[in-house]
Amino acid sequence: DIQMTQSPSSLSAYVGDRVTITCRASLYISGYLNWYQQRPGKAPKVLIYAASSLQSGVPSRFSGSGSGTDFTLTISSLQPEDFATYYCQQTYSSPLTFGGGTKVEIK
Amino acid sequence: QVQLVQSGAEVKKPGASVKVSCKASGYTFTSYGISWVRQAPGQGLEWMGWISAYNGNTNYAQKYQGRVTMTTDTPTSTAYMELRSLRSDDTAVYYCAREFVVVAATGHFNGFDPWGQGTLVTVSS
Repeated sequence: DIQMTQSPSSLSAYVGDRVTITCRASLYISGYLNWYQQRPGKAPKVLIYAASSLQSGVPSRFSGSGSGTDFTLTISSLQPEDFATYYCQQTYSSPLTFGGGTKVEIK
Repeated sequence: QVQLVQSGAEVKKPGASVKVSCKASGYTFTSYGISWVRQAPGQGLEWMGWISAYNGNTNYAQKYQGRVTMTTDTPTSTAYMELRSLRSDDTAVYYCAREFVVVAATGHFNGFDPWGQGTLVTVSS
């Protein structure tokens, strides 16, 4: 199975900050990487697919980059509604696997 | 709007089975696959498997092979996930999610959107 490792596991930031979350795959996954946001008590929501494509309806302050094994999710200017947990997911091979999550909290 | 609505919370005893439903609306059911993902309390997301709503083909995570069955009912646009021989560590929120596929020059990329609201399954004696 491909292991997905996210860092950091949590971070504290101010509204307006630029935030970067990284995700590393244990094997090559090309661009088969998605990012999800999960607010407390809610189902996850896809933000980015294919490493860098913004899902329809998602604010443009979210962006993704990377290919191969190393990927990044960036929030250009953190908003109050962005405080949540973020997960990466590889869809290169079965079983599909998720990273352990990064909890973004208010500073 | 595209929506997945899941069945309500369940409490089961160890060794029992649970069957969670996921009713789709707002799109052509047979045009998309459905994945099931679970989340233990305070933990991350774990993919359990996928079913094609077109032909019923399935792909289960090895961890659940032999213990899970995913099915669909096209007339009611409903997907089901049955998990047998429940243990206490199966206590989790179970989500269904519609799989979308985007065809690009560099490949076929898929993801999950939308997700159902989740079904809490509690396994306790």
